[in-house]
Amino acid sequence: GQQVMQIPQYQHVQEGEDFTTYCNSSTTLSNIQWYKQRPGGHPVFLIQLVKSGEVKKQKRLTFQFGEAKKNSSLHITATQTTDVGTYFCVYYGGSQGNLIFGKGTKLSVKP
Amino acid sequence: NAGVTQTPKFRILKIGQSMTLQCAQDMNHNYMYWYRQDPGMGLKLIYYSVGAGITDKGEVPNGYNVSRSTTEDFPLRLELAAPSQTSVYFCASGFLSGTVFSNEQFFGPGTRLTVL
Repeated sequence: GQQVMQIPQYQHVQEGEDFTTYCNSSTTLSNIQWYKQRPGGHPVFLIQLVKSGEVKKQKRLTFQFGEAKKNSSLHITATQTTDVGTYFCVYYGGSQGNLIFGKGTKLSVKP
Repeated sequence: NAGVTQTPKFRILKIGQSMTLQCAQDMNHNYMYWYRQDPGMGLKLIYYSVGAGITDKGEVPNGYNVSRSTTEDFPLRLELAAPSQTSVYFCASGFLSGTVFSNEQFFGPGTRLTVL
């Protein structure tokens, strides 16, 4: 079935540096969502992208959906320690509305 | 609104024991889900429900059972616990608006289960 691959698996940055995680699918996706999970916490919804080439911004976070709807990226400008956590790209897997998670990118930020 | 609540937060079981993980939501969502998350991995669907009285299997249902007698509650039952069921269990809820699922799913805080 469909799968999404996320890279990198881990990213360590100095506070203030930028960070990008990429999500790639072998098939066209109808939508892509991004969730953040803090250490020891639960996934929290960040955003949903549905249109080809869509770009959305939330403060320092920029989300993109590829033109072919097979890839997506999340870029964080000037990381802060509050950005620490695992970022998952996720999509609706079927008619029952369940989510299919990538393995995530774990971000650590050194102050 | 409390959102999605789960109990217990932590539990240690011995091999062969049984237990029920509780999940409740107060958002009147018709869809509810159980996921498990193994260390360093994403979440995998165990069971889901599209409404009271209706449940179905997800990707990894073996060793689990569910019921949905009310809109609010969706308990997950582990029978004959095995070490492979050591994981973090998340309950989530969402709703369908027309033919489109809501933008986000709401997750509970999780139950950390260890089977020894």
